[in-house]
Amino acid sequence: AQKITQTQPGMFVQEKEAVTLDCTYDTSDQSYGLFWYKQPSSGEMIFLIYQGSYDEQNATEGRYSLNFQKARKSANLVISASQLGDSAMYFCAMREQGGSEKLVFGKGTKLTVNP
Amino acid sequence: DGGITQSPKYLFRKEGQNVTLSCEQNLNHDAMYWYRQDPGQGLRLIYYSQIVNDFQKGDIAEGYSVSREKKESFPLTVTSAQKNPTAFYLCASSTLGPTEAFFGQGTRLTVV
Repeated sequence: AQKITQTQPGMFVQEKEAVTLDCTYDTSDQSYGLFWYKQPSSGEMIFLIYQGSYDEQNATEGRYSLNFQKARKSANLVISASQLGDSAMYFCAMREQGGSEKLVFGKGTKLTVNP
Repeated sequence: DGGITQSPKYLFRKEGQNVTLSCEQNLNHDAMYWYRQDPGQGLRLIYYSQIVNDFQKGDIAEGYSVSREKKESFPLTVTSAQKNPTAFYLCASSTLGPTEAFFGQGTRLTVV
């Protein structure tokens, strides 16, 4: 069964510093995708970054990068140069592809950026 | 404008009543999902569907029902069998394969 684990309920970072949010996953499928979403207090879900299981390079999108370590089954999100607007909940998610297409989420990490 | 629409944004119901939450998308997406989110918690999968007239139970399907009669629509019914229905409900859709899911704005259901 698919499972996503985010072990950090809350994280604090100073403005302009980098922060890493942890995510480990468990799946028996060979083909899957990993996602990170941001949820501000408004409740909307904002897609940040995607990593495919067969992608050899780590994904990057602006200030976001995904540190993908397949053998360790980890997909950590790195936010560089944190901004006050980065304060939000962050969710890691996984979808098995070519089969069930089931999309499951972790419990999230609440990031607070301090001025 | 293409997107995914949930309605209503806020919903109040009396205990013991069934209630249906609407989710419509005009993105031509095959897959649709329903999630429940409790305060300070993650998203838990209720039901999902890859194709019209077919859907699968997620991790917390008890007390909920869905239908997928049209590709664009995936309504969720919260039945009286759901013991604690007060929560934030999110609907999502996506194409199949390596693409992200798009989310609606959510429905906040309060049962009194």
